[in-house]
Amino acid sequence: DTAVSQTPKYLVTQMGNDKSIKCEQNLGHDTMYWYKQDSKKFLKIMFSYNNKELIINETVPNRFSPKSPDKAHLNLHINSLELGDSAVYFCASSQGVRARNYEQYFGPGTRLTVT
Amino acid sequence: GQQLNQSPQSMFIQEGEDVSMNCTSSSIFNTWLWYKQDPGEGPVLLIALYKAGELTSNGRLTAQFGITRKDSFLNISASIPSDVGIYFCAGQSIATSGTYKYIFGTGTRLKVLA
Repeated sequence: DTAVSQTPKYLVTQMGNDKSIKCEQNLGHDTMYWYKQDSKKFLKIMFSYNNKELIINETVPNRFSPKSPDKAHLNLHINSLELGDSAVYFCASSQGVRARNYEQYFGPGTRLTVT
Repeated sequence: GQQLNQSPQSMFIQEGEDVSMNCTSSSIFNTWLWYKQDPGEGPVLLIALYKAGELTSNGRLTAQFGITRKDSFLNISASIPSDVGIYFCAGQSIATSGTYKYIFGTGTRLKVLA
């Protein structure tokens, strides 16, 4: 069974569209994350939820909105897509946010291409 | 945003050689972690370090949490072709305000020549 899964794996869309990426973890973890990896492979954290509460909200355009319906799911919705949003988006989860619980497990990534 | 500086940025080595890479920051972290990313996949955790000065091994990999808490090192002994990939360090801390910080390094791209 896949520990952290993301859908879709590939997403090609036009500028101005709205799209969502879904993430699910079956590890029983309390904390989930969204990362953006650009073409230079730099990994940047975007958001983190702990027990459905937003705990990390980095400076990203407000066109990006995370939603956590429960501890096992963290979705990412992007409005009015722009060319610069093209990247690989990774979901991750960790047991929690206390000491020795920060080890993150990553999903396979969603490659978003905006044309 | 802040990023951790990793060195070297990339390296080509011969199979069987030992590899060393490091990660430095201007900020203190409470936890240092090392991940490896294979092409087309997400990063996978290799080693986690929780205490300044801690030295931890995982097979041929050894990592250390710097005494100053501002750096960490990863060594790979007797490299093999499957060691190829991008190695990321990551630092984690919680400010007194309760703000969480989780930052990844710029990555070290390793290529192993058979």
